[in-house]
Amino acid sequence: LAKTTQPISMDSYEGQEVNITCSHNNIATNDYITWYQQFPSQGPRFIIQGYKTKVTNEVASLFIPADRKSSTLSLPRVSLSDTAVYYCLVGGLSGGYNKLIFGAGTRLAVHP
Amino acid sequence: DVKVTQSSRYLVKRTGEKVFLECVQDMDHENMFWYRQDPGLGLRLIYFSYDVKMKEKGDIPEGYSVSREKKERFSLILESASTNQTSMYLCASSLHSGTGSHQYFGPGTRLTVT
Repeated sequence: LAKTTQPISMDSYEGQEVNITCSHNNIATNDYITWYQQFPSQGPRFIIQGYKTKVTNEVASLFIPADRKSSTLSLPRVSLSDTAVYYCLVGGLSGGYNKLIFGAGTRLAVHP
Repeated sequence: DVKVTQSSRYLVKRTGEKVFLECVQDMDHENMFWYRQDPGLGLRLIYFSYDVKMKEKGDIPEGYSVSREKKERFSLILESASTNQTSMYLCASSLHSGTGSHQYFGPGTRLTVT
């Protein structure tokens, strides 16, 4: 299973764009890249998922270069409510089931 | 919207007690998971189930067992609770095992064993 590395913490201000980069050098051919968001005392919540190039939804964009050894989650115009822990995961079929390994994540603090 | 519910948000039990944590999902998902989350350790997979009555051990199954008698319900059992099982327990479900299927999480149960 591919291990991921992401910054432990980041700070930003309201209205700014935030980019969180995750490295995953050992990503396998059938692995997808998935990002989750977690608020205190809640379960993680799916944000976005991609395989290559760029994916955009109503809350974020995900940029994946051609070699897929890293990915960047982009949050446009963050607000205070985006303060949370963000997890980058790679995974897919492993041992016959969908297994994901959650690391420590990136703790994003958005300031007024 | 997919909903994953857990039986309790907070639970306090004594050492040696048998503890049941229940999880229910309402979207006919094939897969269900139990994780525990501890500071600095992220989420660690305890058990996984890919069908009724089917289960697989995760990374840290010792001291735990699970039961899945119905597709929508997945129970985590602590046979004899110990203080090192004090943790946040998270249940999740996913539609299928195919690549690209992501997980939906419940709100978590914070278990304290005294």
